[in-house]
Order: sequence, then C-alpha cells, then structure tokens
Amino acid sequence: DAGVIQSPRHEVTEMGQEVTLRCKPISGHDYLFWYRQTMMRGLELLIYFNNNVPIDDSGMPEDRFSAKMPNASFSTLKIQPSEPRDSAVYFCASRRTANTGELFFGEGSRLTVL
Amino acid sequence: AQSVTQLGSHVSVSEGALVLLRCNYSSSVPPYLFWYVQYPNQGLQLLLKYTSAATLVKGINGFEAEFKKSETSFHLTKPSAHMSDAAEYFCAVSLDNQGGKLIFGQGTELSVKP
Repeated sequence: DAGVIQSPRHEVTEMGQEVTLRCKPISGHDYLFWYRQTMMRGLELLIYFNNNVPIDDSGMPEDRFSAKMPNASFSTLKIQPSEPRDSAVYFCASRRTANTGELFFGEGSRLTVL
Repeated sequence: AQSVTQLGSHVSVSEGALVLLRCNYSSSVPPYLFWYVQYPNQGLQLLLKYTSAATLVKGINGFEAEFKKSETSFHLTKPSAHMSDAAEYFCAVSLDNQGGKLIFGQGTELSVKP
C-alpha cells in the first residue's frame, strides 16, 4: 500500500505569497493530522480531522492558516499570506480509528518563506 | 493536560553500547505512550507503543520501553547500539478520550560513534 503522500516536498516562496500544501492519507484511514516541525518549537499539532470533519484546530497559529479536507483522500493546508516565521517542515499523518496513536507520517513539505 | 518531557536533547553512545533515552509523562489518567523515530529528511515512524497491557513493550529494531507508573516514566532502551540507530527519537502521549491526538516531546537526537 502507498503511504501518506505529501506535495510539494520543498517550497520556497516570498513573504506575502499564498502557500498550499497537499496531503493524500492512506486509504481506509479516517483520521488525518497536520503537524509543523521547527527547531525552536519541535513538533506542533496544528489541526486534525475525523471522517473529513475538523475536530480540533486549536493549534492553528492564526487566521492566516486554514485547512480543509473535502474528501477522505485529500487534505490541504493553506497559508495566506505567508511570513518568514512560517518556515518549517509540515507533516501530514493519518491513522485508523482502532489504532490510537499509531500515526503514519508523510515525508513532509519543507517550506521556506523569504 | 497531558505532556511528555524528554531528558537530554542529544545523546551520544559508542557502537555496541547500551542506548537509554529518557521520557517522563504527565497525565491525570492512564495514558497511551509511544516512541517514534525520525531519520534525516523523513517523516516519523512508530517504534513501539504502550496501551495498558504489558508494562514492558518491545518494538522494532531491538528497542524496548518500560512503563513505570510510580516514576511516570517510559524510557527507551536498546542493549547494543548500531550505527543505523542514529536518528531523532520522540516520545509521545495520547489520551483516547481526546480523539487520540498525539502530543510529542521535544525529541532526543541519538548519535552513534564507531
């Protein structure tokens, strides 16, 4: 089976531009998580979905960040407008309901905002 | 709220030596505990998990961890380090009644010297 697929793997953009990160979870997984990883703050949970419905978005930094999951096989994380402090690696992960904590991670999207 | 604290952001051992990575948790109810490993430029992958069954948990690649309620600890060990074990290791906690969201520690980077 294919794992969690994220795109793009690398993105370099200028401050103020819109950034869209994409994620395809593992088929059959009904939870999807977005994490951000930085040296200073480690791994932060931004938002997670269950059956395509956002359950907890308390980790979303501010209104510039938004996430959607229009169907079971696709999710996006959008930053508009982007700022240099948004530079990080963004990970998507998914899991089945029955397997608490057993997340399968994508390889991440490394974002650099100049 | 639950949390985990990893003692030591960097641990260095010689090849063949014992690996001990420390993790303490804080939770008002019995938690689920996990260790994940992250190799350079990759996502995280599950090493092992504790879900209130046996207190000594065996994982992949020869790693194991022991849940000690009296010490609120879940330290990760491996009897003999291998060069391929060099990576970053994350301890994580989850409460099933919170939808299973995973909260990660700050990570411990393991270096293995030849």
